[in-house]
Amino acid sequence: QQPVQSPQAVILREGEDAVINCSSSKALYSVHWYRQKHGEAPIFLMILLKGGEQKGHDKISASFNEKKQQSSLYLTASQLSYSGTYFCGTEAGGSQGNLIFGKGTKLSVKP
Amino acid sequence: DGGITQSPKYLFRKEGQNVTLSCEQNLNHDAMYWYRQDPGQGLRLIYYSQIVNDFQKGDIAEGYSVSREKKESFPLTVTSAQKNPTAFYLCASSTNTQTYEQYFGPGTRLTVT
Repeated sequence: QQPVQSPQAVILREGEDAVINCSSSKALYSVHWYRQKHGEAPIFLMILLKGGEQKGHDKISASFNEKKQQSSLYLTASQLSYSGTYFCGTEAGGSQGNLIFGKGTKLSVKP
Repeated sequence: DGGITQSPKYLFRKEGQNVTLSCEQNLNHDAMYWYRQDPGQGLRLIYYSQIVNDFQKGDIAEGYSVSREKKESFPLTVTSAQKNPTAFYLCASSTNTQTYEQYFGPGTRLTVT
């Protein structure tokens, strides 16, 4: 089952904050976050594992609520370079690396 | 420099022809993946391989085939049985440790007419 991302799109001014949510109907082992610019490859941002371990970039934070099967990505003091489409990928456990990606959240940061 | 290469970047084929997309990595990663991306649909897993000479079907494997004869290479063949092959195809690789972020190649945009 594909995770649901919200919002579908968001427009920010430089310096503003944003939260992107990812929700699954299945119990999750891990949640991955990636950013993709148009026509380019997705870039890894963050992994959140069941049990609280996280791995990712220093300037990006995220949370993982295991009980609710939800994850949120927090983008603070946004920069123009943050623009792109953000995808969450969820793993329901067992099959290492077999991620199911959401449809994405398009973020546009304006000057 | 280590990374993943996909070639070609753009590919055009006539309907009914098989076509093979190349994916090579020099990151010494054990696992490799193929995704298909359509507008507004996110990334959908076609096939993945955790080790040489072994691979598993993803969510949308019908009409596709793969091989994994070498650790560095994971080619994808789009067969004539794939009903709607026009899409952006992304290859990725990862280690098989617990925190296995995936590294993506630049993608191949396939157009079938």
